Amino acid sequence: AQSVTQPDIHITVSEGASLELRCNYSYGATPYLFWYVQSPGQGLQLLLKYFSGDTLVQGIKGFEAEFKRSQSSFNLRKPSVHWSDAAEYFCAVGALNTDKLIFGTGTRLQVFP
Amino acid sequence: DVKVTQSSRYLVKRTGEKVFLECVQDMDHENMFWYRQDPGLGLRLIYFSYDVKMKEKGDIPEGYSVSREKKERFSLILESASTNQTSMYLCASSPRPAGTQYFGPGTRLTVL
Repeated sequence: AQSVTQPDIHITVSEGASLELRCNYSYGATPYLFWYVQSPGQGLQLLLKYFSGDTLVQGIKGFEAEFKRSQSSFNLRKPSVHWSDAAEYFCAVGALNTDKLIFGTGTRLQVFP
Repeated sequence: DVKVTQSSRYLVKRTGEKVFLECVQDMDHENMFWYRQDPGLGLRLIYFSYDVKMKEKGDIPEGYSVSREKKERFSLILESASTNQTSMYLCASSPRPAGTQYFGPGTRLTVL
């Protein structure tokens, strides 16, 4: 079955610390992968996406993610977290043969000063 | 920039009322989507439309219907609202094929 797993429901980090949010997927076709961020009461904003090519992709707000096919993972990273990064983060997977996305259940990030 | 707008940010309705949620996109995207978001469940697809008057059921279509009479507009209809439909509703649009989805700000619906 196709699925996306975000194993961490809630993560707390100190401002300035590094961050890694995990995402694992199970998908039959070659995946397209996305990370979205949602601030409280808002819609989802695209952070970055991977369709093909370089497996390390850069996104907005200083985020990056690495596609590891052997591990079926697409983890999101940021070297130094800012208080404004506190939000919920969603990983999603799609493919060329579908217009739909499958979303993970999200990871809520809390940032302490 | 892609812009997806939703008619209301907050909505309070009574059980049994007919509810319309409207979504408009300005990027001439073929695809439009309605999702429901609940804590711990992520985003669940209610309906998907890939062209005017064309629709496809998502994972949780029960209790909902949709309408797409114009390319830029996609409506979600709750024929008879129930308290278990209290949720955040998110609309998205994307180009074909397999394009990036862009989201509206969401409508938080409360059914009393």
